[in-house]
Amino acid sequence: KNEVEQSPQNLTAQEGEFITINCSYSVGISALHWLQQHPGGGIVSLFMLSSGKKKHGRLIATINIQEKHSSLHITASHPRDSAVYICAVRSHSNYQLIWGAGTKLIIKP
Amino acid sequence: DTGVSQDPRHKITKRGQNVTFRCDPISEHNRLYWYRQTLGQGPEFLTYFQNEAQLEKSRLLSDRFSAERPKGSFSTLEIQRTEQGDSAMYLCASSPGGITDTQYFGPGTRLTVL
Repeated sequence: KNEVEQSPQNLTAQEGEFITINCSYSVGISALHWLQQHPGGGIVSLFMLSSGKKKHGRLIATINIQEKHSSLHITASHPRDSAVYICAVRSHSNYQLIWGAGTKLIIKP
Repeated sequence: DTGVSQDPRHKITKRGQNVTFRCDPISEHNRLYWYRQTLGQGPEFLTYFQNEAQLEKSRLLSDRFSAERPKGSFSTLEIQRTEQGDSAMYLCASSPGGITDTQYFGPGTRLTVL
């Protein structure tokens, strides 16, 4: 079993829909990252969380440390939100990021 | 542009050749990371520097791979005797350290080994 699991693997939605991507992890962490990767490889860091909730524009990220679970929400989704969204955790023991496999999101106009 | 830069963006080489990639981190960042990403997979950690010291190295980094950060600024990743399995996107990231240690990624170097 992977240490970081994301669901769904693929998600296609219509423009305007509310999007939720989930991330569960099995290791002790010091922080959890949500990142966005566009076709061609560019990776952008969206959020780093160690507790609670963060909001940036139409993006909201939450984390429940006790349940070892995080969610990324996109409100009023738009075709430009189409990308791969990756959850990555930084374990207590080292500096490595442990990556989820990513969720490929397609927003149709 | 004050982001992380990588050079070259694309490299095509023949099997058996040596290649070297460069990463220039954000100037005030003391941490630098190298990752490798193959098609359809998430990035895999390769190595990590704190200033000029290489503090961590993945078992993925075989003897053919070496990374340096001689002055604690830019870093190079060299692959000797390239193999077709080395074909991947090589990503560099830097971070400032501290509590809010967000990593900022470069655009990557796409390596194709023929």
